[in-house]
Amino acid sequence: DQQVKQNSPSLSVQEGRISILNCDYTNSMFDYFLWYKKYPAEGPTFLISISSIKDKNEDGRFTVFLNKSAKHLSLHIVPSQPGDSAVYFCAASDGGGADGLTFGKGTHLIIQP
Amino acid sequence: DAMVIQNPRYQVTQFGKPVTLSCSQTLNHNVMYWYQQKSSQAPKLLFHYYDKDFNNEADTPDNFQSRRPNTSFCFLDIRSPGLGDAAMYLCATKIGRRNEQFFGPGTRLTVL
Repeated sequence: DQQVKQNSPSLSVQEGRISILNCDYTNSMFDYFLWYKKYPAEGPTFLISISSIKDKNEDGRFTVFLNKSAKHLSLHIVPSQPGDSAVYFCAASDGGGADGLTFGKGTHLIIQP
Repeated sequence: DAMVIQNPRYQVTQFGKPVTLSCSQTLNHNVMYWYQQKSSQAPKLLFHYYDKDFNNEADTPDNFQSRRPNTSFCFLDIRSPGLGDAAMYLCATKIGRRNEQFFGPGTRLTVL
């Protein structure tokens, strides 16, 4: 049973427009959420995170929104650039200790020129 | 300035032939993780070390073992690889105060 779900396997966005990647979770114990970006043949790279006590975190072109009541988070990239083309993974953890992350299956973002 | 190094990047083994994957980290962090990622699937945690304390996920097969001889190095041993064990194996350590994890480039394992 997937605890972190990314329901869109792929997303195509025009360069310069906004990319919105969505993620849903089912485990109420999750209190920290992360987004990773992955290029082919490389490991995931940490992008941005958000604690459950916040509803928004911004870092440059990347903003993550958290809706705890809906158990939903989203990653906004604006403006989208060709280098943003990659697979984006949503991940979650509970407790913030040494426990591992629970990942979604990823969304392949394609930025079209 | 690679912080998590995995060797080899690509490993081919035969069905049933033991294989060892290697990971090292330069961050000197006390926590290290191993994840398995199959094609088009989510990375899945196999186990992690907190110092020398080994923490196995409940659904990690017994076929998978790990060793951590010191803070810098961690090994993943697959005792009898099956075709279903073909995957990308990712090693990670922690960065930051919360659970941000820094991943190595991964080892792509092929089982013939």
